[in-house]
Amino acid sequence: DQQVKQNSPSLSVQEGRISILNCDYTNSMFDYFLWYKKYPAEGPTFLISISSIKDKNEDGRFTVFLNKSAKHLSLHIVPSQPGDSAVYFCAASELQIQGAQKLVFGQGTRLTINP
Amino acid sequence: EPEVTQTPSHQVTQMGQEVILRCVPISNHLYFYWYRQILGQKVEFLVSFYNNEISEKSEIFDDQFSVERPDGSNFTLKIRSTKLEDSAMYFCASSDRGTIEFFQPQHFGDGTRLSIL
Repeated sequence: DQQVKQNSPSLSVQEGRISILNCDYTNSMFDYFLWYKKYPAEGPTFLISISSIKDKNEDGRFTVFLNKSAKHLSLHIVPSQPGDSAVYFCAASELQIQGAQKLVFGQGTRLTINP
Repeated sequence: EPEVTQTPSHQVTQMGQEVILRCVPISNHLYFYWYRQILGQKVEFLVSFYNNEISEKSEIFDDQFSVERPDGSNFTLKIRSTKLEDSAMYFCASSDRGTIEFFQPQHFGDGTRLSIL
């Protein structure tokens, strides 16, 4: 199942610079796209989402961009901080009739912020 | 901030034994989910649960798996006869009712690491 793909298993960025994490998808029926952050021994923590009808959503240092024609989304973190070091998962959701969701995850990208 | 709690954090079980993983979702949430992550692989959807019944289940969720909400707070995943390939991290999640205009994300617990010997 390759509906959601994160092609970069790891990314290293200097503190204070911009981190850009990328994600591609194949299913045009997805309604929402999400980014989760995961520290070791913890569950995924929701960061930010974007509706399929939007092309940008911003929340503090985090901005998600969606390019529907390219079936591509990206997460920008500006400025990057040491606490941002974690594994970042891209996920996509199709809303079901009763309102439940089924998240389809990418493989994750390990982000390391260097001081 | 309310959170999803899962117990135990680590479960070691002999192959063929039954195991029950427990979750306490966020109290006002209506939708409940189980996912699993085999070491080195993606997080995979298992099942969604709403209004005391399964909304959707994946191919992984075969007859050996069942879910239950035995009371107003707990949500459990039972594996009847465990196999070696069931070894994974199992995550519970919950979400509130959302719409296309107002999305409610899933919130995850810290997981139960299930090791089948």
